[in-house]
Amino acid sequence: AQSVTQPDIHITVSEGASLELRCNYSYGATPYLFWYVQSPGQGLQLLLKYFSGDTLVQGIKGFEAEFKRSQSSFNLRKPSVHWSDAAEYFCAVQRSNDYKLSFGAGTTVTVRA
Amino acid sequence: SAVISQKPSRDICQRGTSLTIQCQVDSQVTMMFWYRQQPGQSLTLIATANQGSEATYESGFVIDKFPISRPNLTFSTLTVSNMSPEDSSIYLCSVESGSSYNEQFFGPGTRLTVL
Repeated sequence: AQSVTQPDIHITVSEGASLELRCNYSYGATPYLFWYVQSPGQGLQLLLKYFSGDTLVQGIKGFEAEFKRSQSSFNLRKPSVHWSDAAEYFCAVQRSNDYKLSFGAGTTVTVRA
Repeated sequence: SAVISQKPSRDICQRGTSLTIQCQVDSQVTMMFWYRQQPGQSLTLIATANQGSEATYESGFVIDKFPISRPNLTFSTLTVSNMSPEDSSIYLCSVESGSSYNEQFFGPGTRLTVL
């Protein structure tokens, strides 16, 4: 079965600084990969997704992620964070022949002024 | 993307009672999903609900505890039965996008507290 690891439980970053959130997956074939964001009291919003092709994926809100097959990673990045980026971020993996999503434990991002 | 609403948005319930959560989508979708997010935890899939068939439950979840209905292509309900404090969680429904890429869109969630 597929699984996802987000090694960082909590990250604090200064406003305007860059952000990188790590995600490692375990799956025998090429998975479908997703990053979701959950703001306080909100549901999950899809930031970006990777299915195939270009390994650098652009998403909403200025986020991007890079798929590295050799490292089984799909790290999320943003060059300059805004206070509104404070939220919980979830990486998820899906088997290519299935709808089921497996989520990582999540990374909480705190943005300090 | 689909617009998904859930009712109630939050509730506080007594031990031993049941709560039914509604999920409404603004377009017809084939597959709907129910997830549980326990406090400080990630999301865990409870079951997949297709219209016209029984829901498919994941390991650790049973129909007697979490009965699901899917009467049409825009609506589903999840009931949390005989609740205990351990059932205190956020319950989220999601729907498949209908595209070829299996994306899911999530509702705002129902925050349940069991006393």
